[in-house]
Amino acid sequence: GENVEQHPSTLSVQEGDSAVIKCTYSDSASNYFPWYKQELGKGPQLIIDIRSNVGEKKDQRIAVTLNKTAKHFSLHITETQPEDSAVYFCAPYTNAGKSTFGDGTTLTVKP
Amino acid sequence: DTAVSQTPKYLVTQMGNDKSIKCEQNLGHDTMYWYKQDSKKFLKIMFSYNNKELIINETVPNRFSPKSPDKAHLNLHINSLELGDSAVYFCASSTRTASPLHFGNGTRLTVT
Repeated sequence: GENVEQHPSTLSVQEGDSAVIKCTYSDSASNYFPWYKQELGKGPQLIIDIRSNVGEKKDQRIAVTLNKTAKHFSLHITETQPEDSAVYFCAPYTNAGKSTFGDGTTLTVKP
Repeated sequence: DTAVSQTPKYLVTQMGNDKSIKCEQNLGHDTMYWYKQDSKKFLKIMFSYNNKELIINETVPNRFSPKSPDKAHLNLHINSLELGDSAVYFCASSTRTASPLHFGNGTRLTVT
């Protein structure tokens, strides 16, 4: 099955700094690469995704980059704000018909 | 307006009991899932249904039995509850394969 590694497991930044979280996957047939944000007491919510025919996608302060050759994709958050504090998950999708979640990154943005 | 709703939100029960969690989605999605999130926040898929048909069944004890009466509902019944079943269970739905998952807010199950 798909092996997914997400780093770092915890990340603490000062408000206004940038944050980067990396996800490495093993299945070269993976074709859909989403990032989810989970706030306390809630279910994960999609914040950005990218498909295998695209290298980069941006949505305001959030961007995702994909390197299919190296089998990794990254979440970039610029100008971080305290409300960005949450747990973030990558969940690459494979032809096995499911998303395999990384172990999560707890991001803390200090005001 | 709630897209994916689960009930109950909290469930506290004793070992050996049987309990059910219900899930409904009003997004018109064809595929529904159950995920388990443990105390370390790890999220693991348990089951997936597409148009009422079971398509994914991970290595889950057969004490767990999902049931999908129609494509908008996916329930989870758990027999003979054990301490290790304590976790947050999330229902999710999606339109098709390789598309965003829409999660409910979870059911926190505590087995004492």
